[in-house]
Amino acid sequence: LAKTTQPISMDSYEGQEVNITCSHNNIATNDYITWYQQFPSQGPRFIIQEYKTKVTNEVASLFIPADRKSSTLSLPRVSLSDTAVYYCLVRSGAGSYQLTFGKGTKLSVIP
Amino acid sequence: GAVVSQHPSRVICKSGTSVKIECRSLDFQATTMFWYRQFPKQSLMLMATSNEGSKATYEQGVEKDKFLINHASLTLSTLTVTSAHPEDSSFYICSARGRLPSGNTIYFGEGSWLTVV
Repeated sequence: LAKTTQPISMDSYEGQEVNITCSHNNIATNDYITWYQQFPSQGPRFIIQEYKTKVTNEVASLFIPADRKSSTLSLPRVSLSDTAVYYCLVRSGAGSYQLTFGKGTKLSVIP
Repeated sequence: GAVVSQHPSRVICKSGTSVKIECRSLDFQATTMFWYRQFPKQSLMLMATSNEGSKATYEQGVEKDKFLINHASLTLSTLTVTSAHPEDSSFYICSARGRLPSGNTIYFGEGSWLTVV
């Protein structure tokens, strides 16, 4: 399973766009990149997932360069309720779909 | 998104007793379920992977006789902590993947707090 590296923490003011970059240098050909959000005492909540290039949903955008060795989660106009830990994970596109969690990025949104 | 539900959300048990946590996929058939443990201010640690109708595969260092996992149906997996001790107190989270509408996305339950006294 590809290991991911992301910043331990980030601060942002309300209303700003937040970009969290994750590196996954040894991503395999059939691996997907997926991001989760976790609030204290809750299970992780699925945010977005993609294999390559870009995807946008109602919550976020995910940008993946051609070499797929990194990815950037973009959260538009964050609010206080976006304060959470964000996990970048790489999972296989086949087999058990096992997810291995790293330390994640603690995003703190400041009023 | 698809819904995965855990029960109970919180449980307190006495040391030496066993406690069962249920994980249900409410609107899809979960071909694979995963169980994680998370200690305060730490990340999730995968305990085991279970496929419906077969024995669970445990991660290194996880005692299979202590953490019994059953995945008897496509919508239900259970984790039983046997002979619980205070050090087993933790946040236990399940996740599931399956066929449509879950597709190739893995969804997590709300988590279950276990406190052993």
